[in-house]
Amino acid sequence: GDSVTQMEGPVTLSEEAFLTINCTYTATGYPSLFWYVQYPGEGLQLLLKATKADDKGSNKGFEATYRKETTSFHLEKGSVQVSDSAVYFCALRFTGNQFYFGTGTSLTVIP
Amino acid sequence: EPEVTQTPSHQVTQMGQEVILRCVPISNHLYFYWYRQILGQKVEFLVSFYNNEISEKSEIFDDQFSVERPDGSNFTLKIRSTKLEDSAMYFCASRGPGVPSYNEQFFGPGTRLTVL
Repeated sequence: GDSVTQMEGPVTLSEEAFLTINCTYTATGYPSLFWYVQYPGEGLQLLLKATKADDKGSNKGFEATYRKETTSFHLEKGSVQVSDSAVYFCALRFTGNQFYFGTGTSLTVIP
Repeated sequence: EPEVTQTPSHQVTQMGQEVILRCVPISNHLYFYWYRQILGQKVEFLVSFYNNEISEKSEIFDDQFSVERPDGSNFTLKIRSTKLEDSAMYFCASRGPGVPSYNEQFFGPGTRLTVL
């Protein structure tokens, strides 16, 4: 069935470091792919998305490219800030309403 | 900015007791969802609800679970007789009408349910 596997956390980085959080998926067909972020005490917020192969989603300096050949959607940011500390969830939606989420990766950025 | 709210933020209950988790979706949204995340595991889809009926449900959503939209604003998840394995974070989500919004679901902050 459809599923998402993302990098285990927690991840701790210094401010201005480069961030990569890996995400790979298994799906029959061509799902839409998403990254959600959860800041402390808040709900899951859509960070970025890509709906077809080779699309790049971007927002707030974060980017992820839909790679069909490697079934991946890795999240990257060139220079993280303390305010980026949160839990990041990779997700896919294929058919129907439901999303399939990864386990989440906790990121802590230290000054 | 409109947001999805959930109450309570943390619910502790005894095994076998009934619990009701409450959600207030964004006011013009028509599609409603519940997800759960057992500690250390994936966020799992439970159920979707539209036009006052369940539109999809997962294998997890068995007869112990029910959902209801009792009035124009609330959306509830009831667990009739809680089990230890129901301990999890429960997320409510909603999305608006129309195809352009099809992809984005707006999530609440979650209710942490602890079954003792």
